[in-house]
Amino acid sequence: SQQGEEDPQALSIQEGENATMNCSYKTSINNLQWYRQNSGRGLVHLILIRSNEREKHSGRLRVTLDTSKKSSSLLITASRAADTASYFCATDAGGTSYGKLTFGQGTILTVHP
Amino acid sequence: NAGVTQTPKFQVLKTGQSMTLQCAQDMNHNSMYWYRQDPGMGLRLIYYSASEGTTDKGEVPNGYNVSRLNKREFSLRLESAAPSQTSVYFCASRGQVGSYEQYFGPGTRLTVT
Repeated sequence: SQQGEEDPQALSIQEGENATMNCSYKTSINNLQWYRQNSGRGLVHLILIRSNEREKHSGRLRVTLDTSKKSSSLLITASRAADTASYFCATDAGGTSYGKLTFGQGTILTVHP
Repeated sequence: NAGVTQTPKFQVLKTGQSMTLQCAQDMNHNSMYWYRQDPGMGLRLIYYSASEGTTDKGEVPNGYNVSRLNKREFSLRLESAAPSQTSVYFCASRGQVGSYEQYFGPGTRLTVT
């Protein structure tokens, strides 16, 4: 079963707008990661947030984590056409899970020039 | 550095045929993983290898076997392919302890008719 539920399933915006994607999960985690997948390609790691962190930034990316609600959000600011991709959250339970990740179904982001 | 490489890129099998998907990484990573991705879904873990010499089942292991040939290589075998195994298969690796992000290969698109 999928650990993470993401919404929206699809998001269509204009270049320059912000895009927000949400992820919910069910069990306790060590960290939560976000990945991007361009059409027909493998996944690329974007950003990681640990369970004891509430917010993290990397360039135009901002990730928040609320462990009490078991939810995370990814914000992409000032989006570009090149940001068009699928975005997945993935949870890592840590400990003896040996880095196994449980992925959400993903959000398809389309940025129109 | 090539990162994570996978062969073949595409494969068509008939029901009942067998094949092995190859994966290699040149980053000296300990852990390696096999995922499958079905349309509109996130990735689901098939098998993983926490370190050379060990393998273990993931979420959807039925119909598959794996071999961790050495630290670099981790192969996935379908002994008797079924149409339900039509999917895109991704191999990933993870670095040393304390490094949580995974690095993905480009994927193998498998169709079973």
